[in-house]
Amino acid sequence: EIVLTQSPGTLSLSPGERATLSCRASQSVTSSYLAWYQQKPGQAPRLLIHGASSRATGIPDRFSGSGSGTDFTLTISRLEPEDFAVYYCQQYANARTFGQGTKVEI
Amino acid sequence: EVQLLESGGGLVQPGGSLRLSCAASGFIFSNYVMTWVRQAPGKGLERVSTITTSGDTYFADSVKGRFTISRDNSKNTLYLQMNNLRADDTAVYFCAKDGADWYFESWGPGTLVTVSS
Repeated sequence: EIVLTQSPGTLSLSPGERATLSCRASQSVTSSYLAWYQQKPGQAPRLLIHGASSRATGIPDRFSGSGSGTDFTLTISRLEPEDFAVYYCQQYANARTFGQGTKVEI
Repeated sequence: EVQLLESGGGLVQPGGSLRLSCAASGFIFSNYVMTWVRQAPGKGLERVSTITTSGDTYFADSVKGRFTISRDNSKNTLYLQMNNLRADDTAVYFCAKDGADWYFESWGPGTLVTVSS
């Protein structure tokens, strides 16, 4: 099983700032089969990124994904008030596992 | 527009059973892999069970032998039969539709299952 470790656990930023979230895998994620989700309190997760860098339908271009192998990054270029949430990475190269989440807070 | 709506959650005693349903619309249900994902209170996401278009199934070790997954393509509905429930099964259960690959493209709002005496 591929274990995903996200860092930091919590990111404290202000609107307008840049957010950089990390997801590290215990072994290589082949074909960049990595996705990112956003979850707000009381809501279901929402797909942001798949294939490590492809934005899902309707996702603003301030969200971008990068990386390959074992190291992946989600970047939010300029935080909007609605972006404060928990973010999860998920690999789907070998079974499907999630990271433990990064909370982006004001 | 893809819509997924879970139902069937509630309070159940340890050792009891529940059947969750997920009504799907806005896409050709029979063409997609479907999954149940759960989230314990204040915790992260855990894939519970998956069913493919051909009926092949996957279960997390934590539920193997206790949960079964099924689908009724004529009713566009996904099911999760949960037996011998334990306190650590307490969670919000989401149904999710796969994308072109094995990521979760769309999610329902979830249904809460509470296992407590």
